Amino acid sequence: DGGITQSPKYLFRKEGQNVTLSCEQNLNHDAMYWYRQDPGQGLRLIYYSQIVNDFQKGDIAEGYSVSREKKESFPLTVTSAQKNPTAFYLCASSPRIGRSTDTQYFGPGTRLTVL
Amino acid sequence: GQQVMQIPQYQHVQEGEDFTTYCNSSTTLSNIQWYKQRPGGHPVFLIQLVKSGEVKKQKRLTFQFGEAKKNSSLHITATQTTDVGTYFCAGRGGNTPLVFGKGTRLSVIA
Repeated sequence: DGGITQSPKYLFRKEGQNVTLSCEQNLNHDAMYWYRQDPGQGLRLIYYSQIVNDFQKGDIAEGYSVSREKKESFPLTVTSAQKNPTAFYLCASSPRIGRSTDTQYFGPGTRLTVL
Repeated sequence: GQQVMQIPQYQHVQEGEDFTTYCNSSTTLSNIQWYKQRPGGHPVFLIQLVKSGEVKKQKRLTFQFGEAKKNSSLHITATQTTDVGTYFCAGRGGNTPLVFGKGTRLSVIA
């Protein structure tokens, strides 16, 4: 949707394992984001990137890591240090940050369940 | 840091009734955006407001941006079952990512 793909849609992992969620966009956007969504908690920003090879921590970065080696890709790794990783993860992109026209386009999301 | 508060958290209405959700910021916003997330789906952009006091309409939806650019509202006239979902506001104060409210979940009873 909106030129952003996330895979897989559902992901199951055992506790203690790292897991990487993929996010790809073909919108030629500079900025990309990762959000975590829990029931009643809205969208909480994990990490964001304004440009290739640069990324910034969001509000809940602990236990997560990202990379931005290509403009199109912004994978998120949920590490074993994340205390409660079961959640719905959304990736988004926008042309840039800090302008009045940076509408965010969201991917379909990955629902991660840690057993 | 910047906070965006949204109320109510939940709203149940009979089909045909009106619905309003409110968004308030602790700081002045440069713009505000509204998104809709259908059950099981992902947020989809609805509209952006930039100017103080701005009002925009999309069919039965009316969006307002406060004069002080610290609050906004979304009003739906005569709700339909297709309006079901969670409505998020999101705003920014400067050169930082959007800050999302926690959303208002709308249920419409036919």
